Amino acid sequence: TQLLEQSPQFLSIQEGENLTVYCNSSSVFSSLQWYRQEPGEGPVLLVTVVTGGEVKKLKRLTFQFGDARKDSSLHITAAQPGDTGLYLCAGTWNGTASKLTFGTGTRLQVTL
Amino acid sequence: GAVVSQHPSWVICKSGTSVKIECRSLDFQATTMFWYRQFPKQSLMLMATSNEGSKATYEQGVEKDKFLINHASLTLSTLTVTSAHPEDSSFYICSAIQPRGGVGRNNEQFFGPGTRLTVL
Repeated sequence: TQLLEQSPQFLSIQEGENLTVYCNSSSVFSSLQWYRQEPGEGPVLLVTVVTGGEVKKLKRLTFQFGDARKDSSLHITAAQPGDTGLYLCAGTWNGTASKLTFGTGTRLQVTL
Repeated sequence: GAVVSQHPSWVICKSGTSVKIECRSLDFQATTMFWYRQFPKQSLMLMATSNEGSKATYEQGVEKDKFLINHASLTLSTLTVTSAHPEDSSFYICSAIQPRGGVGRNNEQFFGPGTRLTVL
């Protein structure tokens, strides 16, 4: 079973601050996704990265995929209360087809 | 497009009873669906992979006789929690993928809104 460690587990910041969430694995991903989940709802896909070194931007969110494809980061600029939620990375590996293994999660709280 | 629904959205049952949760792909055909379980303040854990017309594949540690999965059509998979106990209380989430060429790319999974099960 593949393990994805996320850090930090919990983050409480004020509106306007920047933050970075990390996702690490000991194995090479074939693809990695980032999701955001709000309480009582299913996760919503933010981005998929597949190429080592890839950087994708989604408004104030910047996603990086490590060169070795074993780690990824999510950076949020000027956080807003609407960014509050559970951020999950999820990866697939060669030989596991479309099966996703989710990371341990990072709970973000943005206050005014 | 690519909407997945679950029914019911929440259910409360007595210990020892069975509960069925439905997962439907509303606007696409899903050859594969996945069932996840999420305990409070934890991440999603994959329980099983459900393929239309064949037996589900269960993850290690998941009892197939307790969590019965039926994927009878390309738009519906059901999860039945048999003889539920309080420790089965959790948030159950399904997802569905399309065959290549569909809406999703890279076998993207489309997630349902989840079903909260509380066993008394």
